[in-house]
Amino acid sequence: AQSVTQLGSHVSVSEGALVLLRCNYSSSVPPYLFWYVQYPNQGLQLLLKYTSAATLVKGINGFEAEFKKSETSFHLTKPSAHMSDAAEYFCAVSDRGSGNTGKLIFGQGTTLQVKP
Amino acid sequence: DTEVTQTPKHLVMGMTNKKSLKCEQHMGHRAMYWYKQKAKKPPELMFVYSYEKLSINESVPSRFSPECPNSSLLNLHLHALQPEDSALYLCASSQFSGQGVSNDFGPGTRLTVT
Repeated sequence: AQSVTQLGSHVSVSEGALVLLRCNYSSSVPPYLFWYVQYPNQGLQLLLKYTSAATLVKGINGFEAEFKKSETSFHLTKPSAHMSDAAEYFCAVSDRGSGNTGKLIFGQGTTLQVKP
Repeated sequence: DTEVTQTPKHLVMGMTNKKSLKCEQHMGHRAMYWYKQKAKKPPELMFVYSYEKLSINESVPSRFSPECPNSSLLNLHLHALQPEDSALYLCASSQFSGQGVSNDFGPGTRLTVT
């Protein structure tokens, strides 16, 4: 069964600093991986997804993630943090274990705090 | 229209009440989902509808009853809920239900059971 682990439930950076949010996956087959962002009292918004086309995936709002099979990682980065990036970030994997449902399995989430 | 809408935004109900949550999308998506999200936790899948048929029920208690009247609408009927059912209920849709398909989420309904 697929799973994802997000390292660090809380990450704090200064405005303008590099953002690095860590996600490691567990999968016996090549996975489909996603990053979502959730602002307070809102739904989830897709930042980017990996579906094996390219290992470096660019998303919205200046975010990108690199799929590294050797490290079973899919870390999310942004070169320069903005105050508006403060939110909850979820890494997710598409479950391949229960038919072709595409059920998403989420990590526990990482809260990003951006300090002025 | 490129969004998923949910009504109401907030709902407070007693344990003996019957209420419904509504979700709508006009993107031509053929898969729709209900998720439940407790505070500070990730969303947990409850139900999946694919081409208006229920394809996944994640062992959800029968006090939650989903309904998909047509390809654009998804309802969640609530009856005899417990206080622990208080959560953010998220609806999502996707072009189809399949591996590698991302879900488009609505803003959610914040449910409080008293």
